[in-house]
Amino acid sequence: QSVLTQPPSASGTPGQRVTISCSGSRSNIGSNYVKWYHQLPGTAPKLFIYKNNQRSSGVPDRFSGSKSGTSASLAISGLRSEDEADYYCAAWDDSLSGWVFGGGTKLTVL
Amino acid sequence: EVQLVESGGGLVQPGGSLRLSCAASGFTFSNYWMSWVRQAPGKGLEWVANIKQDESEKYYVDSMKGRFTISRDNAKNSLYLQMNSLRVEDTAVYYCARDLVTLVRGVKNYYGMDVWGQGTTVTVSS
Repeated sequence: QSVLTQPPSASGTPGQRVTISCSGSRSNIGSNYVKWYHQLPGTAPKLFIYKNNQRSSGVPDRFSGSKSGTSASLAISGLRSEDEADYYCAAWDDSLSGWVFGGGTKLTVL
Repeated sequence: EVQLVESGGGLVQPGGSLRLSCAASGFTFSNYWMSWVRQAPGKGLEWVANIKQDESEKYYVDSMKGRFTISRDNAKNSLYLQMNSLRVEDTAVYYCARDLVTLVRGVKNYYGMDVWGQGTTVTVSS
């Protein structure tokens, strides 16, 4: 059971807008920046979004992050087939003194 | 090129030990916190531990406290994870990652893990 809660799957058709949610608590998302990681099968994760809504270098502006209270979301607009991947949210947890991750969301482009 | 390369994974019996290494290059290793993150087969990411630049602070996920020890050698640009009393459920790919943590006016800001290695596989099985 992950500390941060994400839907296990999400899907959309090319061109659509898809949103992935991430729910936490006051000690993690409520107190610290949220990050989003992107992972393709068999490869290492990549930091896509940091500081809640800042895109890492090379990440298309179709990707946007937001945070409100103890929840965060990743929005992908103009969905493309190459966006198919696993997406993980993460935040530092002050109570646990450690990083916590969501369980991951597998994004499928139909 | 900024790079992290893990090594030391392999097959070990339950109760055994293993020491993972991570060689850093392309950046000033001694300026950064570092983390270990693992991923069991078909599962999500799980943070294991991290360590401050001068080893004065180390943090672990509760389930691994007392069994795993993180350390570093800044002179060798290397990060380590000593794993003892290994269990079948420790089977995973273990990644090392550069951990962006800053301290501003006494407040820590955690920006995330921006550089990852390719991972090393640990299999615990009899």
